Amino acid sequence: NAGVTQTPKFRVLKTGQSMTLLCAQDMNHEYMYWYRQDPGMGLRLIHYSVGEGTTAKGEVPDGYNVSRLKKQNFLLGLESAAPSQTSVYFCASSTGTGDEQYFGPGTRLTVT
Amino acid sequence: GNSVTQMEGPVTLSEEAFLTINCTYTATGYPSLFWYVQYPGEGLQLLLKATKADDKGSNKGFEATYRKETTSFHLEKGSVQVSDSAVYFCALKGTRGYSTLTFGKGTMLLVSP
Repeated sequence: NAGVTQTPKFRVLKTGQSMTLLCAQDMNHEYMYWYRQDPGMGLRLIHYSVGEGTTAKGEVPDGYNVSRLKKQNFLLGLESAAPSQTSVYFCASSTGTGDEQYFGPGTRLTVT
Repeated sequence: GNSVTQMEGPVTLSEEAFLTINCTYTATGYPSLFWYVQYPGEGLQLLLKATKADDKGSNKGFEATYRKETTSFHLEKGSVQVSDSAVYFCALKGTRGYSTLTFGKGTMLLVSP
């Protein structure tokens, strides 16, 4: 039982490049989330999903897109990376929005 | 909207000292309250939670009491260990529909031997 895994762990992009971050969970959770963590800002919700095929915007959705084609996977895409998107990205999942969220180990992204 | 305010860190303590990390919140109704902990290089994990007023959450020697009258959920531990060094996040889940978690900015705790 791996829990929540994230791929890749580290990535460096140049401004304007695109990439996709993959989150996978093996707990059969309905809800999945993408957060970014920045110094002094805590965790901010980017997008979330309440089930396969659904997505919703969080607090800071601009510049990101997401897809939830399979229940166990939640993809975060950056179409044209900007230095302001340098951050640590965490994925999480839960059985419901009020339940304990299980976090992945994070992806450290640097945009130069 | 919902918000969470935590004391700024870092909090620096010696081993076996008493710990308090303050957390206050703004929300309508009766939100659920959580403390998450992030150890270096890892994701967050749930430490404890409380879902109604006067509930006390506890885990691994940490405690927090849901105080509706002061809108607070302060984290306490009677005797900290070096292994407790981490970043602690207070969070709330509102009462409306698909309400998601709102996190505070986190408080770093450093415990020295």
